[in-house]
Amino acid sequence: GAGVSQSPSNKVTEKGKDVELRCDPISGHTALYWYRQSLGQGLEFLIYFQGNSAPDKSGLPSDRFSAERTGGSVSTLTIQRTQQEDSAVYLCASSLKTGEVTQHFGDGTRLSIL
Amino acid sequence: DQQVKQNSPSLSVQEGRISILNCDYTNSMFDYFLWYKKYPAEGPTFLISISSIKDKNEDGRFTVFLNKSAKHLSLHIVPSQPGDSAVYFCAAIDGGSQGNLIFGKGTKLSVKP
Repeated sequence: GAGVSQSPSNKVTEKGKDVELRCDPISGHTALYWYRQSLGQGLEFLIYFQGNSAPDKSGLPSDRFSAERTGGSVSTLTIQRTQQEDSAVYLCASSLKTGEVTQHFGDGTRLSIL
Repeated sequence: DQQVKQNSPSLSVQEGRISILNCDYTNSMFDYFLWYKKYPAEGPTFLISISSIKDKNEDGRFTVFLNKSAKHLSLHIVPSQPGDSAVYFCAAIDGGSQGNLIFGKGTKLSVKP
């Protein structure tokens, strides 16, 4: 498809397990962002990638969170030893380049930690 | 501390009337503002934006107004339609930063037929 693709769309897991969330950005978009939306909150920035530059990890809430972007395209967000407060919708966005104001979002992964 | 605030969690408007959604910000370094619309179980979709050098931007039924001195912006939808019912997020960006958007908590708009 032409849009940002995220998988899975829903994930339910037990506290303490690790989870991986995947994002496939729009083809040709060099900038990729991860946000999360907790219940009743706005979107919270987590991490962004621009081309081959080192990612900006300033929004990651703890060292249990990490992300990779292989080959400048697909990105994986990993949460280790999940906690209940990690329950949220995780949204990925891409844009043509960093600073391009319009970011295009995927439909998100709804993560529920039991 | 929230840098972008949407103080109305919800708004209900009659079809055909004007919807006005408000947003306040605190960071004077923000130089670009965007509105996103979000339906349930979907990602936010870009609606309209405005640069800090302007005070108004219009696109069809949607107009965004920016008052820099008051650090306030608003989105006007006229006439409102039932399909406009969604959550609207205000977002801001500091052009000198690396590009991540700062979002408000959203306002849920309900347009009643």
